[in-house]
Amino acid sequence: QQQVKQSPQSLIVQKGGISIINCAYENTAFDYFPWYQQFPGKGPALLIAIRPDVSEKKEGRFTISFNKSAKQFSLHIMDSQPGDSATYFCAASKDSGGSNYKLTFGKGTLLTVNP
Amino acid sequence: DTGVSQDPRHKITKRGQNVTFRCDPISEHNRLYWYRQTLGQGPEFLTYFQNEAQLEKSRLLSDRFSAERPKGSFSTLEIQRTEQGDSAMYLCASSDPDRVYNEQFFGPGTRLTVL
Repeated sequence: QQQVKQSPQSLIVQKGGISIINCAYENTAFDYFPWYQQFPGKGPALLIAIRPDVSEKKEGRFTISFNKSAKQFSLHIMDSQPGDSATYFCAASKDSGGSNYKLTFGKGTLLTVNP
Repeated sequence: DTGVSQDPRHKITKRGQNVTFRCDPISEHNRLYWYRQTLGQGPEFLTYFQNEAQLEKSRLLSDRFSAERPKGSFSTLEIQRTEQGDSAMYLCASSDPDRVYNEQFFGPGTRLTVL
């Protein structure tokens, strides 16, 4: 059972454009939703994260939009740059109530930003 | 560098051999996680430690796998009688329970190739 579904699998945008990656989750107990960026041969790096008590969080060019009723969240990268070319993973975990905090990841989106 | 470190970065072994990986978490992070990532997939949870206590193990962690965190600092992951299906990137992450979010910070990973 895939608990976090991510789309698209790959995405090509032009420099300066907006990149949008979507995720949907099934487990309503999830209460922490981070996004990670991963370059080839490296470990995932935390980009931005959100809790379901807010609908949007912005950090620089990165914005998470969260829709609790639809059980969906998305990452928007504004003014995309070639250096943003990487694989992006959404994830979810249950962060409260004595949980083990394990992250459940989506399958990833390979983003290519053309110059 | 005060990030999560892992050693070795790459390991090539023959089927049937035993291998051991080490993870050094960020100082004072008492939560430590192991994940496995295969090509084209997101990381999958393997096991979780709070201090020296191993609190959860995934069903992915067969009897050939064992993890320890003897003094609540570094951790080791051992795979006995390796199989070709064990080839993957093994990622370690740590987190600080005093933070508002349980942000997990990943190391660079150990790439295992089983011939």
